[in-house]
Amino acid sequence: SYVLTQPPSVSVAPGQTARITCGGNNIGSHSVHWYQQKPGQAPVLVVYDDSGRPSGIPERFSGSNSENTATLTISRVEAGDEADYCCQVWDTRTDHVVFGGGTKLIVL
Amino acid sequence: QVQLQESGPGLVKPPETLSLTCNVSVDSISGYYWSWIRQPPGKGLEWIGYIYYNGNTNYNPSLKSRVTMSVDTAKNQFSLKLTSVTAADTAVYYCVASEYDDDRAYFEYWGQGTLVTVSS
Repeated sequence: SYVLTQPPSVSVAPGQTARITCGGNNIGSHSVHWYQQKPGQAPVLVVYDDSGRPSGIPERFSGSNSENTATLTISRVEAGDEADYCCQVWDTRTDHVVFGGGTKLIVL
Repeated sequence: QVQLQESGPGLVKPPETLSLTCNVSVDSISGYYWSWIRQPPGKGLEWIGYIYYNGNTNYNPSLKSRVTMSVDTAKNQFSLKLTSVTAADTAVYYCVASEYDDDRAYFEYWGQGTLVTVSS
């Protein structure tokens, strides 16, 4: 089955830029979606189709996807961005949904 | 706008069957694919599968032998049954909606989640 690999944690100072990666074999050929999850809450979609932004999501959140790595970029990081972030794709070979293991964003 | 709400027992004994229902508030239940996603405590998300309004299903191969999903269009609800549960099935279970079942499949609408604990 298709495997998505994320770093366990990423640390960033307030006001700086956070980059969270999601690795997968030829992931650039997939549409990648990203979720933010705060403790005790359901996940929230923050980026869809590599770089789309749902209504209500700040422009500070953006995404890119190329070759074997997709990246969620959070600009001008705020304390409120501290959360777990998870990537997701549709495995076109098996027609199943696959999630990455998640990355904890730590705001210093 | 889509609203989802899970309901069901919070405690299930092994090796019984876990049963959950999701009530949906939506203009048309036929416009979405209805999924169940779970998250064990402290761990990542796991997609269990989805059902379409016409009854078509697609299950995660790792759970397929134990999973049954159903939909009741008249009541605007869909359900999950997971048989022969063990402690490893302890998780927060979310019901979720997606407009697609292909590469564009992403989950914009989530229920609040319900914790199901498997313990004797």
